[in-house]
Amino acid sequence: GAVVSQHPSWVICKSGTSVKIECRSLDFQATTMFWYRQFPKQSLMLMATSNEGSKATYEQGVEKDKFLINHASLTLSTLTVTSAHPEDSSFYICSATDGSQETQYFGPGTRLLVL
Amino acid sequence: GENVEQHPSTLSVQEGDSAVIKCTYSDSASNYFPWYKQELGKRPQLIIDIRSNVGEKKDQRIAVTLNKTAKHFSLHITETQPEDSAVYFCAARGAGTALIFGKGTTLSVSS
Repeated sequence: GAVVSQHPSWVICKSGTSVKIECRSLDFQATTMFWYRQFPKQSLMLMATSNEGSKATYEQGVEKDKFLINHASLTLSTLTVTSAHPEDSSFYICSATDGSQETQYFGPGTRLLVL
Repeated sequence: GENVEQHPSTLSVQEGDSAVIKCTYSDSASNYFPWYKQELGKRPQLIIDIRSNVGEKKDQRIAVTLNKTAKHFSLHITETQPEDSAVYFCAARGAGTALIFGKGTTLSVSS
C-alpha cells in the first residue's frame, strides 16, 4: 500500500519557538494532504486541508497564522507551529490521498511537547 | 459540515464474543465510510471501509453495515481476540474530501 512518512516522530521545544513538521508521500503523488491533531484519549480533529500549489483551507477555530501549512510539491506538505505554547502539545498526524481521492493514507504522527 | 457520532465510548467483551460499534452521520452527501483501528501512540490503520452504493461488506471476522436512509453504519467484530483490543474510529467523508472522525471506542477483549 501507499506509504506516508512524517518527520520528526517526536519533538520537544521551549515555549515561544517554532516547530516544523514534514509529511511526505513516498510512492505516490498526493494531490491533497490533511493535517489532524489528536489530544490524549481523544479523536482525530481535522485542522486543515491542503492542495498542492494552493492555500490551505483551515477548519473553524484553527488559527492559520499560528499553524502555517505549505504544500509546495505533490509529495511534501509541511506544518509549522509558530510561537508554540504548552497547550499546543499534541500528536499531529498527516494523511494524504492520490488523485482518485479515495483512501486516505496516514503518516505515523509527530508527538510535540512544548515546555 | 459533517458530524459523526460514535457509540459506545468503551466496550468490554470476553474473548470469543462479538463486538458491535455504531456510528451516525449528518451529511446525506457523504459517500465513504472507513473504520480505523488505532493502538496507543501509533497511526490509525484502515481495517475496513464501505461506500454508499453498498449495504454490507465483510472481511473475515470484520463486517460493516450501512443504512443510508437512517444515516448510520456499524462495525461488527466476531470471535474477538485479545489483539483486537484498541481504539476504533469510524469516519465519514462529506462534501469535501476530508474524513471526519467519530470520538472513538476503546475496545477491551479479556481472555
